[in-house]
Amino acid sequence: NAGVTQTPKFQVLKTGQSMTLQCAQDMNHNSMYWYRQDPGMGLRLIYYSASEGTTDKGEVPNGYNVSRLNKREFSLRLESAAPSQTSVYFCASRDSGSSGDYEQYFGPGTRLTVT
Amino acid sequence: SQQGEEDPQALSIQEGENATMNCSYKTSINNLQWYRQNSGRGLVHLILIRSNEREKHSGRLRVTLDTSKKSSSLLITASRAADTASYFCATRSPGTYKYIFGTGTRLKVLA
Repeated sequence: NAGVTQTPKFQVLKTGQSMTLQCAQDMNHNSMYWYRQDPGMGLRLIYYSASEGTTDKGEVPNGYNVSRLNKREFSLRLESAAPSQTSVYFCASRDSGSSGDYEQYFGPGTRLTVT
Repeated sequence: SQQGEEDPQALSIQEGENATMNCSYKTSINNLQWYRQNSGRGLVHLILIRSNEREKHSGRLRVTLDTSKKSSSLLITASRAADTASYFCATRSPGTYKYIFGTGTRLKVLA
């Protein structure tokens, strides 16, 4: 049981390049999330997917797109990277029963630097 | 910004002492959760408290919640060097799947 996995672990991009961050979970969770973490800012929600086939914007969606490929996988795409997108990106998943009181499980993160 | 705030931003204590960190949030909530993040790692869930609960315990952790003040505190008793980490609160409002994280408290426990 690997939990939440993310690839790549590290990436350096030049301004204007594109890339996709991959996330997969093997816990059969319905909900998945993408966050970014900047120094002193905590985690900020970029996009989330409440269930397979749905995606919604979070607090900081500009410059990003997402795809919920199936129940396991949720990818984050940067179409034209900018230095302001230099950050650590975390994927998380959560079960979503009727009570809503479930913890999130986080991946190990992707450190992205845009020069 | 919707982010909650935590204080102190940083805390340094001796092993065996208690550590208290506070979280304030802005909207009504369904539950509040605390997470720990070791340096360079993902977040790990510690404890969840529902909006109708006032206090919860788990091992050396004690969480309180005051919804009238929109605040929560996390107490770690008899701290250990292994407790050195950043601690974040996260809130979820009713009817939403979104979580709002606080800015975190960096705890350093000196052996």
